[in-house]
Amino acid sequence: KNEVEQSPQNLTAQEGEFITINCSYSVGISALHWLQQHPGGGIVSLFMLSSGKKKHGRLIATINIQEKHSSLHITASHPRDSAVYICAVRSGSGAGSYQLTFGKGTKLSVIP
Amino acid sequence: KAGVTQTPRYLIKTRGQQVTLSCSPISGHRSVSWYQQTPGQGLQFLFEYFSETQRNKGNFPGRFSGRQFSNSRSEMNVSTLELGDSALYLCASSLLVQETQYFGPGTRLLVL
Repeated sequence: KNEVEQSPQNLTAQEGEFITINCSYSVGISALHWLQQHPGGGIVSLFMLSSGKKKHGRLIATINIQEKHSSLHITASHPRDSAVYICAVRSGSGAGSYQLTFGKGTKLSVIP
Repeated sequence: KAGVTQTPRYLIKTRGQQVTLSCSPISGHRSVSWYQQTPGQGLQFLFEYFSETQRNKGNFPGRFSGRQFSNSRSEMNVSTLELGDSALYLCASSLLVQETQYFGPGTRLLVL
């Protein structure tokens, strides 16, 4: 079974700060997802990546397959970035034979 | 384009009852996945459907079942409800399996 660890569990930042959230997993994966969950429950898929780096606006996600590690960076953080960020990994082989395992999430609070 | 819709949004049931939750994916999306989120366990994968076929199932007892219709709408059913089934149940759709998922707002189930 794949174990997914996120750090930190909680993070408080001042508006404008550069933020990094980390995700480590224990076995090989086919893809890694970063999700954002706002108070009230709504989840937005931010990135899906299997190698390298992706950027969307102020968000950057990187993955190192060899080290089984991914990071989510937020540049110029803003109070509207306050949310829980969840890492999820897909492992297994072949269509219809995979497990999707989630980290416990990182709760980010950005203070004005 | 309308997003993923889930009905009902809130539900209260008693132990031993059964419940059916509904999910309508984004138009054109053929893959639907279901997740359970609780404060203790976080997000957990329930199952994934594609073209009316269950493609994969998470580690949940047989009381949890689902199906997908020809129009890609999906339902999940939980029989013989237990207190521990109280959770937020989320549905997500994607064009194909293993693509970016779009989440619905969830159904919050309370079992008394």
